[in-house]
Amino acid sequence: KAGVTQTPRYLIKTRGQQVTLSCSPISGHRSVSWYQQTPGQGLQFLFEYFSETQRNKGNFPGRFSGRQFSNSRSEMNVSTLELGDSALYLCASSPGRDRQETQYFGPGTRLLVL
Amino acid sequence: AQKITQTQPGMFVQEKEAVTLDCTYDTSDPSYGLFWYKQPSSGEMIFLIYQGSYDQQNATEGRYSLNFQKARKSANLVISASQLGDSAMYFCAMPRGGTGNQFYFGTGTSLTVIP
Repeated sequence: KAGVTQTPRYLIKTRGQQVTLSCSPISGHRSVSWYQQTPGQGLQFLFEYFSETQRNKGNFPGRFSGRQFSNSRSEMNVSTLELGDSALYLCASSPGRDRQETQYFGPGTRLLVL
Repeated sequence: AQKITQTQPGMFVQEKEAVTLDCTYDTSDPSYGLFWYKQPSSGEMIFLIYQGSYDQQNATEGRYSLNFQKARKSANLVISASQLGDSAMYFCAMPRGGTGNQFYFGTGTSLTVIP
């Protein structure tokens, strides 16, 4: 099976712009979770989508949003970028049937905001 | 709420030696799981090993084993016969309570394998 894929791998944006990141889960997985990783805050949960519905949400401002399509692919959007949004954004997929199941991560998107 | 603590920011190990990476946790869930992930400098989080709280035996996956001590709330990762390719960040994680898939992660341990 193909693993989790994320596009693009690298992005450079300027403050005030918006950005859309994409994640394709492992075939058959219906849950997609997004995480932000920064040196200062570590790994922080953004949100989780399951069957096109947001099932969980972390403590991030409304500038961070996401969605999931019927094929389970997910996108996250960050509007009005700030310097502090520079981070590695990781998505993870899992079947979505059990909260104890393993999450499989993609290679991440490195976002740099100038 | 769940909490994961990794107290070793950095560790060094000689090639071919064994190393233990510490992880302690706190949870009120009667049933839970502990996960370990490896993150090389490329950024991808690679799943290594899983331990369920009711598993009778400690989990093992190749050179990785989990020293699970439920009473002490610790789930330490043991890497045997370290290889240069083991140099990476290692994260301990556990699912949040309730529905859905959300993991809490520790702050990670940076492991450097010395030739």
